[in-house]
Amino acid sequence: GQSLEQPSEVTAVEGAIVQINCTYQTSGFYGLSWYQQHDGGAPTFLSYNALDGLEETGRFSSFLSRSDSYGYLLLQELQMKDSASYFCAVRSETNAGKSTFGDGTTLTVKP
Amino acid sequence: GAGVSQTPSNKVTEKGKYVELRCDPISGHTALYWYRQSLGQGPEFLIYFQGTGAADDSGLPNDRFFAVRPEGSVSTLKIQRTERGDSAVYLCASSGRVNTEAFFGQGTRLTVV
Repeated sequence: GQSLEQPSEVTAVEGAIVQINCTYQTSGFYGLSWYQQHDGGAPTFLSYNALDGLEETGRFSSFLSRSDSYGYLLLQELQMKDSASYFCAVRSETNAGKSTFGDGTTLTVKP
Repeated sequence: GAGVSQTPSNKVTEKGKYVELRCDPISGHTALYWYRQSLGQGPEFLIYFQGTGAADDSGLPNDRFFAVRPEGSVSTLKIQRTERGDSAVYLCASSGRVNTEAFFGQGTRLTVV
């Protein structure tokens, strides 16, 4: 099976940088995804790492270390609209169509 | 449409009743996924389709749950003899291929009373 751990809550101020960590235990690993979800909204894809290293997309970056079963999402130049829940999700090696999600990190950005 | 559409957006039903939840994926997307999400938790995988066939239904909790995608586009999630524990937001997503970015719909909030 698969399990993921991420902090339940993070608070930061506008303009700051915040890092949301995700550790996973899995019997087979294909890749790590990150999603953003605003209250009452749909999860929105942010990034995907299949290989070790850093992926950068605008203000958001995601990092993966397969040897450490660890990844993080880095959000820079925080804006109020970044207040949301962030989920990491592992894709199965044997079944790329099946993702297991963490319970999410609620990010609160304060002025 | 431009995105994944789910209907109804809200459904309240009595315990023991049958419900159907509909998902219209993005046009041309061959992979379609169903998840459910309880308050304070991440989406929980139920089933995914590649075309018309269910490629993996290992997440369906029991035989009261069933999903179809007869023409490889619209999908319906069917729940028989609903129980209060079935109350959750049911999310549908689609992707162009199975291991590419998935686009989620707004979900159907199911409440069993």
